[in-house]
Amino acid sequence: GENVEQHPSTLSVQEGDSAVIKCTYSDSASNYFPWYKQELGKRPQLIIDIRSNVGEKKDQRIAVTLNKTAKHFSLHITETQPEDSAVYFCAASKEETSYDKVIFGPGTSLSVIP
Amino acid sequence: DAGVTQSPTHLIKTRGQHVTLRCSPISGHKSVSWYQQVLGQGPQFIFQYYEKEERGRGNFPDRFSARQFPNYSSELNVNALLLGDSALYLCASSSQGNEQYFGPGTRLTVT
Repeated sequence: GENVEQHPSTLSVQEGDSAVIKCTYSDSASNYFPWYKQELGKRPQLIIDIRSNVGEKKDQRIAVTLNKTAKHFSLHITETQPEDSAVYFCAASKEETSYDKVIFGPGTSLSVIP
Repeated sequence: DAGVTQSPTHLIKTRGQHVTLRCSPISGHKSVSWYQQVLGQGPQFIFQYYEKEERGRGNFPDRFSARQFPNYSSELNVNALLLGDSALYLCASSSQGNEQYFGPGTRLTVT
């Protein structure tokens, strides 16, 4: 079945620096790749997603890139702030009408040091 | 607009008991998915329902079952609880496509 790997498992950066989280997926039919942020004790929140028909997407300080050939995708956070500290999950799925099975990576715990 | 709601928020059960967790999706969303999140891990897919039909099932034993009602709300049932079932159970709703929105979860503790 589909498997999603994520690295690193923990990441510590100084405030203002950039953070990069990398994921790989196994099912070449996957075509939808969301990223979720989960703060301690809270629900996962969708922060950005990318579909296989594009290679890059940006939303303010957050960007995602996708390499379908290599089956990997990355999250880039620039100008990090303490409130970016959280666990980040990448995920992959095959986007079909009414079929929403989403496979999550194990997560990256990001700490932004003021 | 109300987001995804789940009840109860916390639950303590004894091994061997049965539990029912409930989820109400965002208004207009017809798809509900259930996930189990063990502390320190990513959410693991359990079930997905769309228009009251099961459309996906993860690698969970038959002790886990679910259903979706005509108003698109959903229940997750777990029989013969084990200590290892202790986790945060998340419900997510979506319309067409895969943009899922999670509820706050139900924290289940099995003693």
